[in-house]
Amino acid sequence: SQQGEEDPQALSIQEGENATMNCSYKTSINNLQWYRQNSGRGLVHLILIRSNEREKHSGRLRVTLDTSKKSSSLLITASRAADTASYFCATGDTGANSKLTFGKGITLSVRP
Amino acid sequence: DAGVIQSPRHEVTEMGQEVTLRCKPISGHNSLFWYRQTMMRGLELLIYFNNNVPIDDSGMPEDRFSAKMPNASFSTLKIQPSEPRDSAVYFCASSPLGRNYGYTFGSGTRLTVV
Repeated sequence: SQQGEEDPQALSIQEGENATMNCSYKTSINNLQWYRQNSGRGLVHLILIRSNEREKHSGRLRVTLDTSKKSSSLLITASRAADTASYFCATGDTGANSKLTFGKGITLSVRP
Repeated sequence: DAGVIQSPRHEVTEMGQEVTLRCKPISGHNSLFWYRQTMMRGLELLIYFNNNVPIDDSGMPEDRFSAKMPNASFSTLKIQPSEPRDSAVYFCASSPLGRNYGYTFGSGTRLTVV
């Protein structure tokens, strides 16, 4: 069953603009992660934010987490054509195990 | 490290045939996950192992699916008999043991059952 739901489903922007993607989830989590998938490839881990963190940065990526609203956002600054891909949020549950539940993804198109 | 290695990359088989998908996780990663990806259902966790032991197989669709991990460097996902609705991309992923690690995914096996 899907835990995270991304919004919007598709996003098209011009190179150099910022891209903001949102994820909402339903139950308590231990962490939330974002992944990228290029067409025909496997998913690539981008960033992990723990439930006790509110913001995290990695290069051009900025992730925020609001556990009171059960939501997260991924910001890609100064986008490039190479950022064109599908982006997924995944939630790690609070149990003893480490399994992730993925959303259905956001398709980002960056026009050169 | 070569990453998570899956084989074959593509598999086309006839309905009713047995299909075996293979995965080699990253050395030192003690958690291994099998996911299935379709347009309709997205990414679904089928089964995962910690230290070669199956922990949660509640995502395995039915008895036609089985998975094994005989040692730390190899896992298989078997479908017998295969059906057209099994057509999907199957991913294997691995991670260190524990809750706050990202997964490393393989390139996937695209399965088509005709």
